[in-house]
Amino acid sequence: EPEVTQTPSHQVTQMGQEVILRCVPISNHLYFYWYRQILGQKVEFLVSFYNNEISEKSEIFDDQFSVERPDGSNFTLKIRSTKLEDSAMYFCASSRWTGEVQYFGPGTRLTVT
Amino acid sequence: EDQVTQSPEALRLQEGESSSLNCSYTVSGLRGLFWYRQDPGKGPEFLFTLYSAGEEKEKERLKATLTKKESFLHITAPKPEDSATYLCAVQGTGNQFYFGTGTSLTVIP
Repeated sequence: EPEVTQTPSHQVTQMGQEVILRCVPISNHLYFYWYRQILGQKVEFLVSFYNNEISEKSEIFDDQFSVERPDGSNFTLKIRSTKLEDSAMYFCASSRWTGEVQYFGPGTRLTVT
Repeated sequence: EDQVTQSPEALRLQEGESSSLNCSYTVSGLRGLFWYRQDPGKGPEFLFTLYSAGEEKEKERLKATLTKKESFLHITAPKPEDSATYLCAVQGTGNQFYFGTGTSLTVIP
């Protein structure tokens, strides 16, 4: 069964450093998403991506964040200058079309020290 | 503002003791309500999609129902392996899913 994969599973970085989180969405899906979950809190939407551009973003997704689909399979989230409050689980998701089920990856745990 | 509220926050059941989890929502133009299961340190795992009031979906010991204001996830004769956090999410007119904080279910053998 196709699934969303994410790497790395755990990333530790120092405050102010840049990090790139990687995702491989399900191959025939057209919409891609990033969500985050701070420990003990709800899953929060960051951004959706379709046809090589951002289709929607939340207030959390400020200028420190960017997304890219560098090739036909990968989808990345970049945080330019990490802050302590960026520590969270980051989930990538994909769906065939908007309005359909979003399938989530296993997540990347980002720890900013 | 689109919102999702889940109750109870935590639920402990004896094995075989049936119960229901609640998801109340406020959303502009509901396009879908989604139930997920989340195990500790893992990503949400899809369970059900409900699109219109009156709709019901069933899978093994789980049954999801939808009204115009809320959804229920009924768990019949639960087993210890059903222990997890159950998340409800809604999608309105945009692309994003709005998640509730979840119900943490513990089933005691």
